[in-house]
Amino acid sequence: AQKVTQAQTEISVVEKEDVTLDCVYETRDTTYYLFWYKQPPSGELVFLIRRNSFDEQNEISGRYSWNFQKSTSSFNFTITASQVVDSAVYFCALREGSGNTPLVFGKGTRLSVIA
Amino acid sequence: DTGVSQDPRHKITKRGQNVTFRCDPISEHNRLYWYRQTLGQGPEFLTYFQNEAQLEKSRLLSDRFSAERPKGSFSTLEIQRTEQGDSAMYLCASSLGGTAQYFGPGTRLLVL
Repeated sequence: AQKVTQAQTEISVVEKEDVTLDCVYETRDTTYYLFWYKQPPSGELVFLIRRNSFDEQNEISGRYSWNFQKSTSSFNFTITASQVVDSAVYFCALREGSGNTPLVFGKGTRLSVIA
Repeated sequence: DTGVSQDPRHKITKRGQNVTFRCDPISEHNRLYWYRQTLGQGPEFLTYFQNEAQLEKSRLLSDRFSAERPKGSFSTLEIQRTEQGDSAMYLCASSLGGTAQYFGPGTRLLVL
């Protein structure tokens, strides 16, 4: 069965600090996709990244970076030089197979960035 | 605005009443998903459509819940005889094939 675990329930950092959000997943499929979404206080889930199981290259987008390690079944998300606008709940999600299955989400990590 | 839209954004109802929510996906997206999110939890899958066909339903979707996507465009989610446990945020998402799902702003339901 597929499962996503985000062990950090809440994290608080001071502005400009770096912060890493952890995500560990479980799946029996060899083909799967991993996602990160941001949910700000307004409530709308914002897509951040999709990564397939055959691409273990790390990705950087501005202050955001993602570290995918199949050996540890982890897909961690790092925000460099955090800003107050980064305050939100961040969800990691997994989709098994070639794309006909729904997303399974973790419980989310609430990030508070303090000025 | 070309994103996913949902209506209404908020709904307060009394226990036992029926409610209906609407979702308009991104226009070229053929897949439409419904999720439910309760406080402190991640979204949980309810059902999804490919065009007008409902392809999968979660065990969470009791007999009181029904969803339609009659012309393969917008979708409706109806809850009959609402219960207090139905209070949640109902999220709609759409995608083009198996690509990333883009979410709407959600409908927050409160059952009194």
